[in-house]
Amino acid sequence: GNSVTQMEGPVTLSEEAFLTINCTYTATGYPSLFWYVQYPGEGLQLLLKATKADDKGSNKGFEATYRKETTSFHLEKGSVQVSDSAVYFCALKDPQGGSEKLVFGKGTKLTVNP
Amino acid sequence: NAGVMQNPRHLVRRRGQEARLRCSPMKGHSHVYWYRQLPEEGLKFMVYLQKENIIDESGMPKERFSAEFPKEGPSILRIQQVVRGDSAAYFCASSEYGTGVDEQYFGPGTRLTVT
Repeated sequence: GNSVTQMEGPVTLSEEAFLTINCTYTATGYPSLFWYVQYPGEGLQLLLKATKADDKGSNKGFEATYRKETTSFHLEKGSVQVSDSAVYFCALKDPQGGSEKLVFGKGTKLTVNP
Repeated sequence: NAGVMQNPRHLVRRRGQEARLRCSPMKGHSHVYWYRQLPEEGLKFMVYLQKENIIDESGMPKERFSAEFPKEGPSILRIQQVVRGDSAAYFCASSEYGTGVDEQYFGPGTRLTVT
């Protein structure tokens, strides 16, 4: 079945540090890939997405590239800010598997210190 | 345009009681999804509904849980005879078309505590 594995946290960085959160997936078809962010006490917000191999999703300084050969979708940001502190979830949707549901990783908690 | 609304935000129930969680999708959205987030876990899909129809309930526990999305009014997730293991955050999401890469917009969640 479909699954997502992402880097376990928590991750603690200083402001302006480089961020990488690893995400790999297993899917029966050709999934779309997503990164969601959850701020404390809130619901999930879509951060970025990619729908096919070699696509790069980007938003708010975050980037992730859909790598079919390594089945990965790693999240990166060149210079993190305190306001980026949140939990980040990698997810996939595989309509060819017959469902519109999102399959999530366990989440990675990021804390950015001033 | 108001986002996805969920109520209540926090719900406390004693073991054996019923919990009813409500979700109003974004305006113009007719597809609703329910997910459950257990402590320290990612979100797990429960059910996908369109107006008056259950499309995919592959993630719903077989007993005590039910969901509906009537023609009028919010979607309801109902948990009968709650147990401590039902304590979790329940998130609702909605989308416009329900296909392909149609984005799912999430509500703030209902945090259920079973005492």
